[in-house]
Amino acid sequence: GQQLNQSPQSMFIQEGEDVSMNCTSSSIFNTWLWYKQEPGEGPVLLIALYKAGELTSNGRLTAQFGITRKDSFLNISASIPSDVGIYFCAGPPLRGASGSRLTFGEGTQLTVNP
Amino acid sequence: ETGVTQTPRHLVMGMTNKKSLKCEQHLGHNAMYWYKQSAKKPLELMFVYNFKEQTENNSVPSRFSPECPNSSHLFLHLHTLQPEDSALYLCASSQAATVNEKLFFGSGTQLSVL
Repeated sequence: GQQLNQSPQSMFIQEGEDVSMNCTSSSIFNTWLWYKQEPGEGPVLLIALYKAGELTSNGRLTAQFGITRKDSFLNISASIPSDVGIYFCAGPPLRGASGSRLTFGEGTQLTVNP
Repeated sequence: ETGVTQTPRHLVMGMTNKKSLKCEQHLGHNAMYWYKQSAKKPLELMFVYNFKEQTENNSVPSRFSPECPNSSHLFLHLHTLQPEDSALYLCASSQAATVNEKLFFGSGTQLSVL
């Protein structure tokens, strides 16, 4: 099946640092979604991207839909301890997708040290 | 506050037990989903219901039996599970089960099979 590769798998940063993570696919995607999952909770949607090249912000979070449509990036500026969690990318591949078959990456585990 | 509520939050069961997971969404959505989340693995789609009809069964073993009595409620009936079935089971909903729909997740049921 389709696979999304997220990197890095984990990050350990100091409070106040900027964070950058990305997601790549071998298939073209027509939508990219970024979710955050905190311990003991389900994933929460952060940002949705629908057009190649699109750049969208949500507070300190900024995500971009790659021009090739095979990648997406998520940046977090001036990190704070509550940014801790697992960040997932997700999306439906352009071809072969039926119904609701969203594909999820394995996630980037973010740890922020105060 | 989440619009998707799952109960119980935690469940421990023996391999011969029968239990059920419950999910309720208060978002007026028409599609509901069950996902399995195991450590170090991407979210795995199990079942999809659209307007109460099952539209997708992702080769899930028959020891997992979903039920969707209406668009707001979704159950996952469990019987004769295996220890490898231990995982976080997430319910999600969306407006409809189409390719670009954004999913809204519940907090999950952490299941341990002894």
